Amino acid sequence: GEDVEQSLFLSVREGDSSVINCTYTDSSSTYLYWYKQEPGAGLQLLTYIFSNMDMKQDQRLTVLLNKKDKHLSLRIADTQTGDSAIYFCAEVTNAGNMLTFGGGTRLMVKP
Amino acid sequence: DAEITQSPRHKITETGRQVTLACHQTWNHNNMFWYRQDLGHGLRLIHYSYGVHDTNKGEVSDGYSVSRSNTEDLPLTLESAASSQTSVYFCASSDPGAPGDEQYFGPGTRLTVT
Repeated sequence: GEDVEQSLFLSVREGDSSVINCTYTDSSSTYLYWYKQEPGAGLQLLTYIFSNMDMKQDQRLTVLLNKKDKHLSLRIADTQTGDSAIYFCAEVTNAGNMLTFGGGTRLMVKP
Repeated sequence: DAEITQSPRHKITETGRQVTLACHQTWNHNNMFWYRQDLGHGLRLIHYSYGVHDTNKGEVSDGYSVSRSNTEDLPLTLESAASSQTSVYFCASSDPGAPGDEQYFGPGTRLTVT
């Protein structure tokens, strides 16, 4: 079955880099995503990576994909207090348009 | 601007009552989804629809139903609310074939069953 796992919590200082990790089990994943959820709000797509890529960079965000180890990471450079949120990784497989989410990582940025 | 809305944003109901949560999107997306969010579980898929009159069960569909009579709306009904259904519910929609298959999420409905 499909399973996506993340660590629950990460705390960093403002200006440092944050790295949020995710592991998944379904090797047929086509897209892998990072969503951000701010308090009291819905999920907002941050970035996604197609499964035939190993890296994607978008301004302060870098996504690394290791298909062999089924490991996905999100690096946020120069982390700001506004980056404090819950970050979810998710995958979609060839089976359809359904997302399977990890449990979310709460990022706390200290001034 | 196109958007996805949910109503109500907060609801308190009693065990055994029927409850309907509304979801409305103006993107004309064919795909619509309902998730529930619980601590430690992330988001879990309840039901989804790929178009008008199409509905499918997700991972945690027991006790829930949906209907799709038009493109814009996918209401979620709890037949007989139970305390285990206290959760935050998110609706999402997507355009099949769009780059990345991005799902757009509504703001959520916090449901408390007493």
